[in-house]
Parts: sequence; structure tokens; C-alpha cells
Amino acid sequence: KNEVEQSPQNLTAQEGEFITINCSYSVGISALHWLQQHPGGGIVSLFMLSSGKKKHGRLIATINIQEKHSSLHITASHPRDSAVYICAVGGGGSQGNLIFGKGTKLSVKP
Amino acid sequence: DGGITQSPKYLFRKEGQNVTLSCEQNLNHDAMYWYRQDPGQGLRLIYYSQIVNDFQKGDIAEGYSVSREKKESFPLTVTSAQKNPTAFYLCASHYTGVGQPQHFGDGTRLSIL
Repeated sequence: KNEVEQSPQNLTAQEGEFITINCSYSVGISALHWLQQHPGGGIVSLFMLSSGKKKHGRLIATINIQEKHSSLHITASHPRDSAVYICAVGGGGSQGNLIFGKGTKLSVKP
Repeated sequence: DGGITQSPKYLFRKEGQNVTLSCEQNLNHDAMYWYRQDPGQGLRLIYYSQIVNDFQKGDIAEGYSVSREKKESFPLTVTSAQKNPTAFYLCASHYTGVGQPQHFGDGTRLSIL
């Protein structure tokens, strides 16, 4: 079983829809990261969470430490949100030693 | 603007050749990382370095080598011992300390001719 599981693997939405991507993990963590990977391959860090909720523009990330679960929400989705969204968790020691999920491929249709 | 530069974007290698992937950052970050990404899999850690002249193996270091002679540079060499080198390679860096997000480069796609 993977230590970081994301669902769904693929998601197609219509422009304007509310989108939720889920991440469950089975290891102890110090922080959880949400990353966005565009078709060219470059990755951008969206959020780093250790508790509660963070919001940036139309993106909201939540984490429930007790349930070992995080969600990434996108409100009023737009075709430019189309990308692969990756959940990664960091444990003790070097925070760079992240464990990555396989990613959720999101496609938003106009 | 500060950032991480990976070059080249696409790289082709003949069997039996070593190739070196470049990663340069002007963010003054202490820690640097190399990840490998294969289709349908999460990123996996190859090597990381938290300080100049020091580096550690990650989960899949076999067939790879690195150096960290300068703070801003962390080149990765894919040796002929790496039996399946075709993949997408990502470099990342961050400041050390609690609560520091990772910054990623745009990646290098390596293919075998």
C-alpha cells in the first residue's frame, strides 16, 4: 500500500465547477504539501500545511491530522487550472525528504 | 527573479554513456534535491544535499552520482550503471529550517537513443 494515496487519479470538470482532490497518508508527518505540475513538467508549490486550513485566491487546502487526510479545493474552476495536482508529506529529519502521491490529473473544459 | 534553472530541457543518451544534468539556483538555498518521475508514479528521491560538500543518497541512488562544490549548483550524473534512465528529472531546493517550502525547477526529460 502506498504511503500517500490521492483520489481521484483523473478528474474532468466543466468551467465554474467546484473541485475537490483528496489525499490520505499513513505515516506520521510534520507537514503536508500540495503541488501543481503543468504540462511542461515544472512544479509549483501551492500550500504547505501542518494543521487547519489555508486559502490562496480560489484555492483552499485543509488538513485533518487525526484522520491523516487532506483536501485541495478549487472554487470557480477555470481551464487554466488544468494540471496535475500532487500531494506530498514530510516527516521528521530533513523536511525535503518528501513522500509523494501519484498525482491527480485535472482537466477543466470551457 | 530568483529561481531554479535546469538544463537542458530535453536530453538524449546513447547506451553506455554518462550524462550530466545541470541544476542551478540563485535563491541562496542551503538544501537541494534530485527527484525522478516516471509515468503513473510519484516523485522519488535520488540524492539530496543540505550543505556544500556534503550529500546523501535517497531511495533510488543506484546508477547516479552528484556533487555539491558550490551552494548554487547540484549537478546529477546518470551513469551507464543506471539500467533504466529514461525518465523526467526534477531538481528542488529550500532554505533549511521549519516551515520552508520547496522550490522546483522545470525538469529535464532524459531519453535513451
